[in-house]
This record gives sequence, structure tokens and C-alpha cells, in this order.
Amino acid sequence: GEDVEQSLFLSVREGDSSVINCTYTDSSSTYLYWYKQEPGAGLQLLTYIFSNMDMKQDQRLTVLLNKKDKHLSLRIADTQTGDSAIYFCVRYRTSRSGYSTLTFGKGTMLLVSP
Amino acid sequence: GAGVSQSPSNKVTEKGKDVELRCDPISGHTALYWYRQSLGQGLEFLIYFQGNSAPDKSGLPSDRFSAERTGGSVSTLTIQRTQQEDSAVYLCASSLGSAGGPSRPGELFFGEGSRLTVL
Repeated sequence: GEDVEQSLFLSVREGDSSVINCTYTDSSSTYLYWYKQEPGAGLQLLTYIFSNMDMKQDQRLTVLLNKKDKHLSLRIADTQTGDSAIYFCVRYRTSRSGYSTLTFGKGTMLLVSP
Repeated sequence: GAGVSQSPSNKVTEKGKDVELRCDPISGHTALYWYRQSLGQGLEFLIYFQGNSAPDKSGLPSDRFSAERTGGSVSTLTIQRTQQEDSAVYLCASSLGSAGGPSRPGELFFGEGSRLTVL
């Protein structure tokens, strides 16, 4: 299976909460991240969590990490139309050559309707 | 410039031709990455340069793909004898150091990509 898996599409109404889920296979990941890609723009780091944390809150964003189930989620409170984007679940890994790189999921397209 | 710059932004080529894609990272960033983004496939790691160390080429899909980084700055990704399956957006990113470093670990700064279409 894929290193990092996430659902491909999520549609919500403006003002609702959005929850984007991700599962990963490598329990040795030390960091897990959410990157955001807006239409016509480059990828940007949205938030991250250390593997020894269960939760991280940053304004409207809440990241939950369940290490036992290897499950990561991103909750966006009071979702706005400007939150429409592709959200990538990303884990820090060491490649076969011993280098440290980031492994991206396929991305979840979040569509927020007014 | 202030951000990662990539050129060309769009490239249309014929099957079998060679292409070169350029990346100008943020000044002072020692790490440089190439990723490929295909429709429905997410981001695929291609190659990673860190300072003067030998690059991590473990993600290059075939020997038609190669990359150089001159003087620790600008990088060129070369695809020889292009095939239709090479069509994708090629993204370059840079960072201060290897992923997982201090401050905002894992923060890669991405360019807007080079969209390659092979006819």
C-alpha cells in the first residue's frame, strides 16, 4: 500500500467544520505535516506536529495524531471559501540512501461552497 | 528573488525530445528538492541536493532523468527522450537544511512549478 493515504475529495458548506483524514504506514515518522496547495499557487506548509504529541491547535486549525492507529487528521473550524484548496498529508522519512525527505499523500481537494 | 523561481512555467514538447527545467532556489537555502505532480498521483519525490553532499537520486524514475546543481544554487532537471507519461508538473523546493531541522521543521518552500506536456 501507499506510504501515506488520504481521501481525495471533501465538500463542505461555509461555516461548517472540515475534517481531513490521513493514515500512514511508517511508525518511525518523527514529524507529520499538512501542506496546502491553492489554485495557481505553490505548496505551503500549513502546520506540523511532532510524533510525541497527540494534538496541536493553531487558530482555526486542530491537528490530531493517533500514533497507535497511525492516523492523522486536520480539522478546520468555521471553514471559509478561501480554504478551498488541496491539502496534503506529509510525513518525514529517511530514504533508502539515508537522506531525510518528505513523503506526500495524494492530496485531499477541499471544496467550500457558500 | 524572494521565492523559489522555476522556468519555463509551461513547456510543450514532442515525444523523443530532450527538455531542461530550471530551478532557482531561495538564496542561502542549502537543500533543494525536485518533485513531480501528476493528476491523481500526488507528489512524487525525484531527487534531493543537500549542500556539497552527493544527491539522493533514489526517486528518479528512469535513467532518462538527471539533475545537476551548480555552485550550490541553481538546479537543472533534464529529461531525455521524453515520453508521454513524463507529462506532469515538476516542482522544485528549497529549504534551509534537511527536512526535520529546527524552527519550522519540514518547511519546504516550493516554486510554482513547470508544467510539461509531451505530445
